Amino acid sequence: ELKVEQNPLFLSMQEEKNYTIYCNYSTTSDRLYWYRQDPGKSLESLFVLLSNGAVKQEGRLMASLDTKARLSTLHITAAVHDLSATYFCAVGEGSYQLTFGKGTKLSVIP
Amino acid sequence: DTAVSQTPKYLVTQMGNDKSIKCEQNLGHDTMYWYKQDSKKFLKIMFSYNNKELIINETVPNRFSPKSPDKAHLNLHINSLELGDSAVYFCASSDRGHQPQHFGDGTRLSIL
Repeated sequence: ELKVEQNPLFLSMQEEKNYTIYCNYSTTSDRLYWYRQDPGKSLESLFVLLSNGAVKQEGRLMASLDTKARLSTLHITAAVHDLSATYFCAVGEGSYQLTFGKGTKLSVIP
Repeated sequence: DTAVSQTPKYLVTQMGNDKSIKCEQNLGHDTMYWYKQDSKKFLKIMFSYNNKELIINETVPNRFSPKSPDKAHLNLHINSLELGDSAVYFCASSDRGHQPQHFGDGTRLSIL
């Protein structure tokens, strides 16, 4: 059974500082996703990572994948308030199924 | 032109009642999903249909019955609602391959 672990589960960030969220998974997979969820809202797709060494960047967020270590990271550069949300990684299993991590709740404090 | 739409957005009902949630997607995807998100925000797959065929059926009480009349619709019927069914239920859809799943806005179900 695929297990996906995110850490930390809660992160208070100071503005303008850098932080990293980690996503470890237990069995081989060919795809990993990062999603963002604002309070009371839907899940928004941020990144799709498909191969070892894949790196994707959008604004202050950068995601990377190491399939050998079964590890993905989401790096936040110079945190700003509008990045406050819950971030989920999700790992593909079989052709259709995704297993989600428990989510990391980010809060940016001035 | 909402991509994945769910109705209703909120559902407040009493224990023991039967209720349905509807989901429609206009993305032309061939696979649809139901997820349950509990109060701790943990998101777990319940069911998935591919071209109207059930392909994922996780350990869910048989009070929950999905139905897919066509590949653009996936409805969820829940019988004899219990307090533990209170959660946010998300519908999602995807294409075959590695594209991300697209989520609806969720249905917040509260059992009194």
